[in-house]
Amino acid sequence: GENVEQHPSTLSVQEGDSAVIKCTYSDSASNYFPWYKQELGKGPQLIIDIRSNVGEKKDQRIAVTLNKTAKHFSLHITETQPEDSAVYFCAVDVTGGGNKLTFGTGTQLKVEL
Amino acid sequence: DAGVIQSPRHEVTEMGQEVTLRCKPISGHDYLFWYRQTMMRGLELLIYFNNNVPIDDSGMPEDRFSAKMPNASFSTLKIQPSEPRDSAVYFCASSLVRGRGGYTFGSGTRLTVV
Repeated sequence: GENVEQHPSTLSVQEGDSAVIKCTYSDSASNYFPWYKQELGKGPQLIIDIRSNVGEKKDQRIAVTLNKTAKHFSLHITETQPEDSAVYFCAVDVTGGGNKLTFGTGTQLKVEL
Repeated sequence: DAGVIQSPRHEVTEMGQEVTLRCKPISGHDYLFWYRQTMMRGLELLIYFNNNVPIDDSGMPEDRFSAKMPNASFSTLKIQPSEPRDSAVYFCASSLVRGRGGYTFGSGTRLTVV
């Protein structure tokens, strides 16, 4: 089955700095790569996703890049704010429809004032 | 839309008791998923349904766990008998065919088995 590794497990940045979280996957057939944000006491929430026919996607301060050859993708958050503090999960789906996701182990991001 | 609705939010039960977790997916979503989240194992897929039919239950830990989806608007996850190692947060999520927009998760049920 699919194996997803996520790094780092914890990340602390100063407000206004950038944060980068990386994930690698094993199945070259994977073609859908979402990122989720989980705040304390809540379920994970989709923040951005990318499909394998696209190398980069941006939504305001959040961007995701994908390198299919190397089988890794990254989440980039610019101009971090305290409300960005949360646990972030990458996920991978081989079916293309987002119908069966394998999640990474999560990154605890802390944005310090 | 109210999103994915799970109940109860918290459940504390004694070892050996039956526990039933409930989920109402988003109307129109064809897929429903049950996940378990623990510190040690992260987010684990237990089972998922497509059009009310169980598709993959390979993640169900053992026979004590069972899940049903009698109609498009309701699903249950049952643990009988419950054990302390079942303590976790259980999430239900739903999605459209072809995954447009990805999964939408509920707020979860925090289960504590004492």
